[in-house]
Amino acid sequence: ETGVTQTPRHLVMGMTNKKSLKCEQHLGHNAMYWYKQSAKKPLELMFVYNFKEQTENNSVPSRFSPECPNSSHLFLHLHTLQPEDSALYLCASSQGLPNTGELFFGEGSRLTVL
Amino acid sequence: GENVEQHPSTLSVQEGDSAVIKCTYSDSASNYFPWYKQELGKGPQLIIDIRSNVGEKKDQRIAVTLNKTAKHFSLHITETQPEDSAVYFCAASRTGGSYIPTFGRGTSLIVHP
Repeated sequence: ETGVTQTPRHLVMGMTNKKSLKCEQHLGHNAMYWYKQSAKKPLELMFVYNFKEQTENNSVPSRFSPECPNSSHLFLHLHTLQPEDSALYLCASSQGLPNTGELFFGEGSRLTVL
Repeated sequence: GENVEQHPSTLSVQEGDSAVIKCTYSDSASNYFPWYKQELGKGPQLIIDIRSNVGEKKDQRIAVTLNKTAKHFSLHITETQPEDSAVYFCAASRTGGSYIPTFGRGTSLIVHP
């Protein structure tokens, strides 16, 4: 139990569907992150939020839309995805920037796009 | 930006042997080097980290060494056990600035009983 909870753990969706991934942290952190993990690729940073403000958008396609309503919750809204978007999506949190320190990861949401 | 190279991509050892994973980084301003372990079906978890003001840190069977001049750092696991089997990631970042850790590609460690 890392204090970061992601739901759903598994998601299968068609290319025309709209779905959302949810992340919640109970650690009192102020920075939250979305990473994409594909087979045989390094962890790819997608988005960073610091005190609810987006500070990083790593050239992510607009079919991925993040939302951070407060420091404890982070969403990733998905629409018109492609099969190559199938991956494990990891949420993480840390102390607020600039003192990043340790990242605490959730267990991930395994996404399959048909 | 920072670039982290990690080797090997796969490491297979017998139980009781030692395992060494090596990483290099490019940004001489990086000063924080964590190592994460990712077990099957789970997210990465920090197992040890080192800051640039020390050359070595040890925690039971795990140790990390840092050579700032050569810009490389290594993870050493002694007396490996089957439960050490996992993917290990190194990372580098600069604390005190809004720098997010840059991760290596990961090493899949397999410990055979």
